[in-house]
Amino acid sequence: AQSVTQLGSHVSVSEGALVLLRCNYSSSVPPYLFWYVQYPNQGLQLLLKYTSAATLVKGINGFEAEFKKSETSFHLTKPSAHMSDAAEYFCAVSESGTASKLTFGTGTRLQVTL
Amino acid sequence: EPEVTQTPSHQVTQMGQEVILRCVPISNHLYFYWYRQILGQKVEFLVSFYNNEISEKSEIFDDQFSVERPDGSNFTLKIRSTKLEDSAMYFCASSVQRQETQYFGPGTRLLVL
Repeated sequence: AQSVTQLGSHVSVSEGALVLLRCNYSSSVPPYLFWYVQYPNQGLQLLLKYTSAATLVKGINGFEAEFKKSETSFHLTKPSAHMSDAAEYFCAVSESGTASKLTFGTGTRLQVTL
Repeated sequence: EPEVTQTPSHQVTQMGQEVILRCVPISNHLYFYWYRQILGQKVEFLVSFYNNEISEKSEIFDDQFSVERPDGSNFTLKIRSTKLEDSAMYFCASSVQRQETQYFGPGTRLLVL
């Protein structure tokens, strides 16, 4: 079985500050890992994904995430937050080679302040 | 850029009524999915569909739920007799292949009264 834990349901950063959203996963087989963003009243948009290639993955809008197998983590970072980054961020896992369903974390709401 | 579309965007229904939520996946995609998000909770997988049959379903997807691809473009989720706890945002997604990126639609917000 697969699962995702996102630490911190709410994160607040100042504009220009580092964004760090935490995600830890559990999977019985090598995982595929994803970060999705949900803006208010919108659907889920893929930010980036890890599918067993490079461990440092770059995504859209300046976000990146690093897969660390030893820590079972896939934390999302952005060097400098922008007001437009305010949204809900979901980490998700699927099991490579078998089912394709995504198992999501509970989400982290990012607030960006002036 | 191609996108997944869903209709309606909002639906209000009475408990016990049947609802059909509609989705148009991206045209060259072969795998289709439904997820739901109860207000304030995480997004949960309901079902995946490939080659005109269900390939995987969750324990949430009981006999009250069904999916269908009635023609070459639509993918529907039917809830036969809605319950209050079916109130949620329902997302459709599609992917080219089983392990490829899933692209999500904007969702249908279902409210059961």
